[in-house]
Amino acid sequence: AQKVTQAQTEISVVEKEDVTLDCVYETRDTTYYLFWYKQPPSGELVFLIRRNSFDEQNEISGRYSWNFQKSTSSFNFTITASQVVDSAVYFCALSKRNTDKLIFGTGTRLQVFP
Amino acid sequence: DVKVTQSSRYLVKRTGEKVFLECVQDMDHENMFWYRQDPGLGLRLIYFSYDVKMKEKGDIPEGYSVSREKKERFSLILESASTNQTSMYLCASGQLAYNEQFFGPGTRLTVL
Repeated sequence: AQKVTQAQTEISVVEKEDVTLDCVYETRDTTYYLFWYKQPPSGELVFLIRRNSFDEQNEISGRYSWNFQKSTSSFNFTITASQVVDSAVYFCALSKRNTDKLIFGTGTRLQVFP
Repeated sequence: DVKVTQSSRYLVKRTGEKVFLECVQDMDHENMFWYRQDPGLGLRLIYFSYDVKMKEKGDIPEGYSVSREKKERFSLILESASTNQTSMYLCASGQLAYNEQFFGPGTRLTVL
């Protein structure tokens, strides 16, 4: 069975702090895809990143970075120098090849205070 | 830009009413999805569709049906709304599994 676990329900930080959102997944497939989405207060989920199971290179996009480790089945997301605009619910998701279904974690609510 | 629009942001219905939630996408995507989002449960897939007139059950299809008469439009139907269907409903579209899904703004449905 496939499963995504986001153990952190809610995280609060002060602006400019670094914060890491954890994501642990379970799958028996060798080919799969991992995603992060952001849901700001407006409600619309925004795609952040997709990773396939064969690419374990870390990725950096501005203040965002992702650490994919197959050995621990984790795909963690770090925001460096957080800002108030980063306040949102963040979802990690998993899909396997040749299927159109995303399996979402329960989300982590990040609050960044000024 | 991909646009997924949903007919209402907020909706209030009474128990037993038939409810239609409409979703339209403008990117010619083959696949469309309906999710519901509840606190502590994340997003759960209700139904999805690979093509016109084609539908498949997701993880929680009970109490719902769908209709896809045109490629760009995917409707979620609550035949007889119940209070436990009070939730946020999110529609999404996408082209392939390993590409991102594009989401609409959501409809917050309250069933009284």
